[in-house]
Amino acid sequence: KAGVTQTPRYLIKTRGQQVTLSCSPISGHRSVSWYQQTPGQGLQFLFEYFSETQRNKGNFPGRFSGRQFSNSRSEMNVSTLELGDSALYLCASKGESYYEQYFGPGTRLTVT
Amino acid sequence: ILNVEQNPQSLHVQEGDSTNFTCSFPSSNFYALHWYRWETAKSPEALFVMTLNGDEKKKGRISATLNTKEGYSYLYIKGSQPEDSATYLCASSSNDYKLSFGAGTTVTVRA
Repeated sequence: KAGVTQTPRYLIKTRGQQVTLSCSPISGHRSVSWYQQTPGQGLQFLFEYFSETQRNKGNFPGRFSGRQFSNSRSEMNVSTLELGDSALYLCASKGESYYEQYFGPGTRLTVT
Repeated sequence: ILNVEQNPQSLHVQEGDSTNFTCSFPSSNFYALHWYRWETAKSPEALFVMTLNGDEKKKGRISATLNTKEGYSYLYIKGSQPEDSATYLCASSSNDYKLSFGAGTTVTVRA
């Protein structure tokens, strides 16, 4: 069974631009969560999608948005990028069990 | 502000020695406590999920305990090996499916 995949793995953008990150969950998993990790911080929860609906949302500004498609693939969009958005963005998928969460390798975003 | 705290932030341990570190979390509205191991250049890997006060879980040389009344969990590594070098993350969740992660404890095992 293929794991969680994220594309691209690395990205460099300029302040003010927007970016879209993609996450493909494990086959059969309907839940996808997004996290941000910055140096010295734990993983900060961005949002979770389940069956194309946002089920939960963290405390991030509206510049961060997401969506999920019918095949459970999810995208995360960040508009008007700021230097502080430079981080590792991880997605994780869950199956039927609440406890089983599997992470992807992450996308390293650098904003210059 | 993290409401899940992990201590210490990093530690070094000699190969063969045992070590342990803590995760403290809010005990109100507690649902589950998760431990992950995150090796450099890899994805975080789930180690344990615990829900009940007094739970103990074991996976090889690694074990964990849970105290939900006082809001802490310990992770133990017995007879540390170089392959145990990683960042260990804990996360607590309430029943709204959101995980709140600590900043992690980075373990370096010296040969």
